[in-house]
Amino acid sequence: DTAVSQTPKYLVTQMGNDKSIKCEQNLGHDTMYWYKQDSKKFLKIMFSYNNKELIINETVPNRFSPKSPDKAHLNLHINSLELGDSAVYFCASNQAGRLPSRANVLTFGAGSRLTVL
Amino acid sequence: DQQVKQNSPSLSVQEGRISILNCDYTNSMFDYFLWYKKYPAEGPTFLISISSIKDKNEDGRFTVFLNKSAKHLSLHIVPSQPGDSAVYFCAASSGQFYFGTGTSLTVIP
Repeated sequence: DTAVSQTPKYLVTQMGNDKSIKCEQNLGHDTMYWYKQDSKKFLKIMFSYNNKELIINETVPNRFSPKSPDKAHLNLHINSLELGDSAVYFCASNQAGRLPSRANVLTFGAGSRLTVL
Repeated sequence: DQQVKQNSPSLSVQEGRISILNCDYTNSMFDYFLWYKKYPAEGPTFLISISSIKDKNEDGRFTVFLNKSAKHLSLHIVPSQPGDSAVYFCAASSGQFYFGTGTSLTVIP
């Protein structure tokens, strides 16, 4: 019973296309995130949503648009894909609040590897 | 600007010996530090953590040490086992989480 699940796991597409990655968590967490791991293996936060509201939006091109229909789901839509968008995208969730509660620790999905040709 | 750095991209250790993974950070506002373990084609999974009010936390074979004056933390795994072979990410939090680039550990049987 996967806690944070993302689909698809692999996505290969052409430059200029629009694609979406979906994420769902069944942990009852109130905050969800998208992280990008690029070719340098750097895990960098892109977006954070708390109870369906955007709370963090790092410097990300506006071609990336997160959508949170409810607090258990956070989808990532990418328009006009570029070669540099090729990366592994990780969804994560936690319960907002100060550490050190175990619920505040991030739980990650398995990642979605996006390859733009 | 990377606030959390892992300067060793890889480490090889013989089975049964100690593995020491290092991490440095720059932001003195970080108050919680974590280690995550990642296998290929999987997401990072939480391993162990430490609060800034402590200098050591132990969980079985895993111990994390924190040196606040040096802004340095390390993860010790002893004895190392082949199943420990994975990429280890260091993370720090002041509310938001910041990750290092990971160290790939190979434990040789």
